[in-house]
Amino acid sequence: QVQLVQSGAEVKSPGASVKVSCKTSGYSFDNFGVSWMRQAPGKGLEWMGWINTYSHINYAQTFQDRVTLTTDTSTNTAYMEVRGLRSDDTAVYYCARDSVDIADNWFDPWGQGTLVIVSS
Amino acid sequence: DIQMTQSPSSLSASVGDRVTITCRASQSIGSSLNWYQQKPGKAPKFLIYGASTLQSGVPSRFSGSGSGTDFTLTISSLQPEDFATYYCQQGYITPRTFGQGTKLEIK
Repeated sequence: QVQLVQSGAEVKSPGASVKVSCKTSGYSFDNFGVSWMRQAPGKGLEWMGWINTYSHINYAQTFQDRVTLTTDTSTNTAYMEVRGLRSDDTAVYYCARDSVDIADNWFDPWGQGTLVIVSS
Repeated sequence: DIQMTQSPSSLSASVGDRVTITCRASQSIGSSLNWYQQKPGKAPKFLIYGASTLQSGVPSRFSGSGSGTDFTLTISSLQPEDFATYYCQQGYITPRTFGQGTKLEIK
């Protein structure tokens, strides 16, 4: 079945970077994109950006300067790196399968989530 | 950016009740509206796409309707497993945006 499995929880200091992985299986990685979302404690869902394997990337403006999305087609894995972490970056980060182009989309399925805690 | 506004923010209901959640977009998004269900500590689950098409495996008591700017999610007869938070999301343009969520609680 289609699965997205994310890397484990991280605790980082302010100013550090974190890189979260999202290993996909059960479908053709090239035929879909991957979006990343985050959810701060007790808050709603926030879309961060989208990537496909054709080097097309679209970032939410909020994250344009601090987030980098990449893919590794040899392992069917997507990565999200956040730099310059702040305490308000503490959240659960999710990857989800998305459409191959940036047109009409939905997110299905989702990874299990990766908790990133930023604390001194 | 397109703002998505859900109402109500929270809702108390009983098993067997019919409930409706509303989602309004700040501009027309055609039928590019999706719904998700999220239970505590879990990732969201995809329910409905294109405003009204149920994802495979989603019980038929769930239904969606609307187009343009106004959309609804209806659960015809609440079951115990339906108590969760529901989010709408527009897939019309980037940035993708979600409603703030509607928490459905047991009365």
